[in-house]
Amino acid sequence: EVQLVESGGGLVQPGGSLRLSCAASGFTFSNYWMSWVRQAPGKGLEWVANIKQDGSEKYSVDSVRGRFTISRDNAKNSLFLQMNSLRAGDTAVYYCARGLGAAAAVLTLWGQGTLVAVSS
Amino acid sequence: IVLTQSPATLSLSPGERATLSCRASQSVSSYLAWYQQKPGQAPRLLIYDASNRAAGIPARFSGSGSGTDFTLTISSLEPEDFAVYYCQQRSNWPPTFGPGTKVDIK
Repeated sequence: EVQLVESGGGLVQPGGSLRLSCAASGFTFSNYWMSWVRQAPGKGLEWVANIKQDGSEKYSVDSVRGRFTISRDNAKNSLFLQMNSLRAGDTAVYYCARGLGAAAAVLTLWGQGTLVAVSS
Repeated sequence: IVLTQSPATLSLSPGERATLSCRASQSVSSYLAWYQQKPGQAPRLLIYDASNRAAGIPARFSGSGSGTDFTLTISSLEPEDFAVYYCQQRSNWPPTFGPGTKVDIK
């Protein structure tokens, strides 16, 4: 079955760190751009970061740049998001998603999401 | 690029036609996608590059437009179509989403 499964979310204090993982299966992971998108409770969608097939290109939005790092391990079919210096505003469900071929920012496959709650 | 969606809520009955709008603050060419999200679920891609249906999406969903004005049309609403719909541009970094249109049952 083609799927993405996120893990690693949880409750963390402001200033803390978390590492999210996304396990891919059922497709050739190394052929696709991958992305993280988040959704604050009751709010809309916000792009976080994406990474090229071989990891040679990475992009992130201004609000997380310098705090979050996207990475991947193609041998393990896994995507990661290292989140440092977390703030209350980072509270959201974090989705990993797969791009459409060369169209990195067309998201054809999404995981079920993992909730990150930043609170003291 | 800021995307604006209208209306915020659309109240319709099954079988009716739904017309959702998305306007961009500057031209995004045809680099616009539409996603559907149901409560507690991840978004699902419906349309990409303004008018291309994603794999497995029923023909009742169609997209049109270019530049700054786009439309998602659902020709005849099925019960499973009541959801929130987001547009998203990929013309400029970062990709951005609109605030969503909720289609609910009248």
